[in-house]
Amino acid sequence: EVQLVESGGDLVKPGGSLRLSCAVSGFTFSNAQMTWVRQAPGKGLEWVGRIKSKVDGGTTDYGAPVKGRFTISRDDSKTTLYLQMNSLKSEDTAVYYCATGEPGWKYWGQGTLVTVSS
Amino acid sequence: QSVLTQPPSASGTPGQRVTISCSGSSSNIGSNYVYWYQQLSGMAPKLLIYKNNQRPSGVPDRFSGSKSGTSASLAISGLRSEDEADYYCVTWDDSLTSVVFGGGTKLTVL
Repeated sequence: EVQLVESGGDLVKPGGSLRLSCAVSGFTFSNAQMTWVRQAPGKGLEWVGRIKSKVDGGTTDYGAPVKGRFTISRDDSKTTLYLQMNSLKSEDTAVYYCATGEPGWKYWGQGTLVTVSS
Repeated sequence: QSVLTQPPSASGTPGQRVTISCSGSSSNIGSNYVYWYQQLSGMAPKLLIYKNNQRPSGVPDRFSGSKSGTSASLAISGLRSEDEADYYCVTWDDSLTSVVFGGGTKLTVL
């Protein structure tokens, strides 16, 4: 059974940093492109970014609102995806989901809540 | 303001057929595959349609997708109460070099 479990969500002050994790099991993580999607309270879904598998170059892409502040990385030995978030703003408050299962995102985690507030 | 335009709401009665539209441009829908997701209240999204009109295993054939030019549509036939959810279209935008979402459509089953 494929499982994605996010963790690391917390209350953080504006300007602060936080690292989210997404632990994956049930499929070959190293071959998978991984994606982060977020959802602000009461709002729609927003793409945060993605990381390709090392076989496909391991490159990253980011949505405009987070480019330069967020970094996606992966540890294939630990089958874990990360999202390092710096210079956090109130508008980054959201539930953050990791997803995979190309084509499309067939598998999703349950999400982890990040609240940015003073 | 989302790059892809969806109606904010749609509704239908049980058994009816409902269509949700998704409008984009030549740099996104016009040149890339469209995906559709269903999000039940308080849950993670679920993939309904991939590559414009393909259904993942386990998705009922009541759900169908289509694309024409710079627009796409999701059709739900034989509407059921459990279809009440938010629906999102998604694609890649070549100009933005980014995945783009529609704003979402809240479907109400009357």
